[in-house]
Amino acid sequence: DTEVTQTPKHLVMGMTNKKSLKCEQHMGHRAMYWYKQKAKKPPELMFVYSYEKLSINESVPSRFSPECPNSSLLNLHLHALQPEDSALYLCASSQRWGAPGELFFGEGSRLTVL
Amino acid sequence: ELKVEQNPLFLSMQEGKNYTIYCNYSTTSDRLYWYRQDPGKSLESLFVLLSNGAVKQEGRLMASLDTKARLSTLHITAAVHDLSATYFCAVAWGFGNEKLTFGTGTRLTIIP
Repeated sequence: DTEVTQTPKHLVMGMTNKKSLKCEQHMGHRAMYWYKQKAKKPPELMFVYSYEKLSINESVPSRFSPECPNSSLLNLHLHALQPEDSALYLCASSQRWGAPGELFFGEGSRLTVL
Repeated sequence: ELKVEQNPLFLSMQEGKNYTIYCNYSTTSDRLYWYRQDPGKSLESLFVLLSNGAVKQEGRLMASLDTKARLSTLHITAAVHDLSATYFCAVAWGFGNEKLTFGTGTRLTIIP
């Protein structure tokens, strides 16, 4: 199983809503990542978790709150988002943070903020 | 801060032709990735290059890495329509190669 599964695939939310994006992998990977990709732009790193601990926060606004409940799951909690936060949110995992090897990406969650 | 630039940004080429996409980066790294992305889809891993002089080939695509020149190339041989997509290089950098920065992307269109 070399899959990273993200849910939901599509999400529409208002600026006052609270929602969550979920990511799951069963490859035994100990590093998990959130990336944000705006249309026609490259992905940009948001957060890195290594062994369930937050290792990198790329100065992401606090309206995005990551959580790693265990080594297989990664959540991104969303609250009071702005329309400019509309984007494709990609989850990825790798064997270990900083180690050589492939980064596996999920299909992404396309978020629209109204 | 690392800068990763790809050249060209847009490429329209005829089927059967050869072409090369270039990826230049601004700091020391010995690990580089190439990804493909179809419209509205996620990233598909193509190659992982882990050392200077590394060369990998899969079908009509071949990637190479020159860490001294801080340059990677993705060569397309005898292009076919199915290769139309956006291609990103991504460079691992930092003290423990802990950050991955993506290039600007090259949007490739293969014309029949």
